[in-house]
Amino acid sequence: DARVTQTPRDKVTEMGQEVTMRCQPILGHNTVFWYRQTMMQGLELLAYFRNRAPLDDSGMPKDRFSAEMPDATLATLKIQPSEPRDSAVYFCASGAGADTQYFGPGTRLTVL
Amino acid sequence: GENVEQHPSTLSVQEGDSAVIKCTYSDSASNYFPWYKQELGKRPQLIIDIRSNVGEKKDQRIAVTLNKTAKHFSLHITETQPEDSAVYFCAASKGGSYIPTFGRGTSLIVHP
Repeated sequence: DARVTQTPRDKVTEMGQEVTMRCQPILGHNTVFWYRQTMMQGLELLAYFRNRAPLDDSGMPKDRFSAEMPDATLATLKIQPSEPRDSAVYFCASGAGADTQYFGPGTRLTVL
Repeated sequence: GENVEQHPSTLSVQEGDSAVIKCTYSDSASNYFPWYKQELGKRPQLIIDIRSNVGEKKDQRIAVTLNKTAKHFSLHITETQPEDSAVYFCAASKGGSYIPTFGRGTSLIVHP
């Protein structure tokens, strides 16, 4: 049963530090999504890749966030510098097309 | 862009009762409507989906109905069980390379 994997599962860091989250999409999937989930905002789309090309990152704060897909098996989301308001659960999801999405287990980020 | 509204935000039922969650969408071009279940601390998981060429789809105790004219779709859970307790998200998309828009979620609580 293929699944999306994410590392780390939990991350506690101090304000101002760089945070890198990694995602391995399901083999053969050509779309990758990054979401942020908080109680207040629900699921927010941060970035969307299709065939490794970024198609939409309008939901991502450009000054501190960046998302890349260096190859088809790895997607990264970086925050530099991190701030307490970035504390959330970050989900990666992949799909064959943009219809059905399969979510990873998430990275719980706490910025002190 | 697409706007998806989901109601209610919280739903409390007794075990064995039925539960209904409703979503409305704004873009008449949307043609794919998935539902995700997210248990506490877990990833969202697809439980059922429907495309605009059908009006209803069932899978054991869950069913989804779609009214394209009114632009709303609903999730129906019959004979609810405590393990159905979770947050349920609806979504709508135009399929293909279009990004799904998620509702804010419904917290379903099933009391034993």
